[in-house]
Amino acid sequence: DVKVTQSSRYLVKRTGEKVFLECVQDMDHENMFWYRQDPGLGLRLIYFSYDVKMKEKGDIPEGYSVSREKKERFSLILESASTNQTSMYLCASSLSGKGGYTFGSGTRLTVV
Amino acid sequence: EDQVTQSPEALRLQEGESSSLNCSYTVSGLRGLFWYRQDPGKGPEFLFTLYSAGEEKEKERLKATLTKKESFLHITAPKPEDSATYLCAVRGGTASKLTFGTGTRLQVTL
Repeated sequence: DVKVTQSSRYLVKRTGEKVFLECVQDMDHENMFWYRQDPGLGLRLIYFSYDVKMKEKGDIPEGYSVSREKKERFSLILESASTNQTSMYLCASSLSGKGGYTFGSGTRLTVV
Repeated sequence: EDQVTQSPEALRLQEGESSSLNCSYTVSGLRGLFWYRQDPGKGPEFLFTLYSAGEEKEKERLKATLTKKESFLHITAPKPEDSATYLCAVRGGTASKLTFGTGTRLQVTL
């Protein structure tokens, strides 16, 4: 069964910490995405990547960065976590320009 | 800019009471409309892709239809296990990314 795997289901971090969220897909997809999901705001795109070492800003990139050193892995980095980054983070992947996304199961991040 | 609006925001049905969810969209050159189901605390799960007006897809109690301006997700004789949030998304133009609506939260009671 093809999968997108996010390393943690639940995470609690302190304000100011550097936080790494990891995502791995086993479908050889070119595209990978990071979204955050908040009640009433829906899914908002943070960053995406079309290929290894390539990245594009989404709608809300401030306070985040990403890394894609290998095709199957896309990491989201919170440089200095803040309480307003408490959210559900979703990773997804897709074939280039085709089909929908396959999502991971999400990481519920709480920043205290 | 692509836009997706879903209605209603929330819907409560009794078991067996059929209804429809709406997804209105504006997009430059539709290259796919997607329906997802999301259970609380989990990632969205793919349901359907529709590509052209008039197309229909079915899966169990769900049927998705598409016109040039909107899509409907019809739920026939729903059961409590159909309770979830249903998300609609579009891909337009040359983009690889999807634009999502905010979803319809469906609750089916006995």
